[in-house]
Amino acid sequence: SAVISQKPSRDICQRGTSLTIQCQVDSQVTMMFWYRQQPGQSLTLIATANQGSEATYESGFVIDKFPISRPNLTFSTLTVSNMSPEDSSIYLCSPNRGSEDTGEQYFGPGTRLTVT
Amino acid sequence: GESVGLHLPTLSVQEGDNSIINCAYSNSASDYFIWYKQESGKGPQFIIDIRSNMDKRQGQRVTVLLNKTVKHLSLQIAATQPGDSAVYFCAESSGNTPLVFGKGTRLSVIA
Repeated sequence: SAVISQKPSRDICQRGTSLTIQCQVDSQVTMMFWYRQQPGQSLTLIATANQGSEATYESGFVIDKFPISRPNLTFSTLTVSNMSPEDSSIYLCSPNRGSEDTGEQYFGPGTRLTVT
Repeated sequence: GESVGLHLPTLSVQEGDNSIINCAYSNSASDYFIWYKQESGKGPQFIIDIRSNMDKRQGQRVTVLLNKTVKHLSLQIAATQPGDSAVYFCAESSGNTPLVFGKGTRLSVIA
């Protein structure tokens, strides 16, 4: 399985500030998915990031609030901008299924964000 | 740490018994399904997957059953252990679309 790391693992931030979350994968992957998991909830897809093109955002999520970078095939960042307490969640990255698009999809350990 | 699944339905099982966790999905075009286990403070961990051309798949102590007629997926855990206590999510996909997650079930194993 792919080895996926995220930084930071957790953070407590003040409202109005921004936080950039990094996701590193140990193999090249075509797509990177970013998910949000609000307290007590399931995972919701924020956006899909491909290298060299703008990320595709799901309904309810916009680029100004959650800008994403994908500079190469092993790395991506998600920024949570102008944070409010409602942004307190776990943010998870996930490369497309398998390192060769063959099936299993894995997740990073998550970044636990608390906005005060 | 951050708690996962505070408001999720809970299944309580005696240690050593079998567990069955159910999931209903809505997209009849979904052709790929995964079960994940999420422990507190961790990301989802892949357990087992199944494609729509199958109705059963077995792993180590786990079995996934797929009933496409009623759009139902289940995860069976044999001889449940305390280490199985976690929140379990089903997820579905159609073609190469991103996974869509179900609401999750908290499994609590009673020693």
